[in-house]
Amino acid sequence: AQTVTQSQPEMSVQEAETVTLSCTYDTSESNYYLFWYKQPPSRQMILVIRQEAYKQQNATENRFSVNFQKAAKSFSLKISDSQLGDTAMYFCAFTRLNTGTASKLTFGTGTRLQVTL
Amino acid sequence: EAQVTQNPRYLITVTGKKLTVTCSQNMNHEYMSWYRQDPGLGLRQIYYSMNVEATDKGDVPEGYKVSRKEKRNFPLILESPSPNQTSLYFCASRPLTGYAIQYFGPGTRLTVT
Repeated sequence: AQTVTQSQPEMSVQEAETVTLSCTYDTSESNYYLFWYKQPPSRQMILVIRQEAYKQQNATENRFSVNFQKAAKSFSLKISDSQLGDTAMYFCAFTRLNTGTASKLTFGTGTRLQVTL
Repeated sequence: EAQVTQNPRYLITVTGKKLTVTCSQNMNHEYMSWYRQDPGLGLRQIYYSMNVEATDKGDVPEGYKVSRKEKRNFPLILESPSPNQTSLYFCASRPLTGYAIQYFGPGTRLTVT
């Protein structure tokens, strides 16, 4: 079974600064996807970024980027130029690559990020 | 607009009173799933469905039922709710092929007293 671990329950960052959220996972699969989801106070689950395990290049979406270390099973999220609107709970998630099956999302426990002035 | 809808968004009920949370998607997705979110536990899968009339248990199915009579709808049924089912519930859907991205509904906050 897959597990996802987020060891930072809460973090704080000042506006315009950079912050990195950590995520590690455990799996015996070789092909899989990793995701970061954002959950603002509205509770909506918003996909921030995804990474295919077979791609060596780290994914980037505007101010959001990941550091994917497959051998170390690490998948951290870097938020640059933090904005007040980035205040949210962030979840790391894993799913197997074979999308034609019942592959589910396995979530970490979340990191609550507070962006301050 | 492509979306997953859930109703109701908020529900307060009493122990033992049967309830149904509806979920509907307009993206023609085969795969649909229910998750519950609890503090310190993240989101955990309750049930999933690969297509019409094909449902199966997730990690925490006890106390829940689902049905999939139409492709777009996947209701979650609590026949005898208990206080430990107080939680935030999400419905999600995705196609069976592609990038495995799941689309989430807005969530249903359920309180059982």
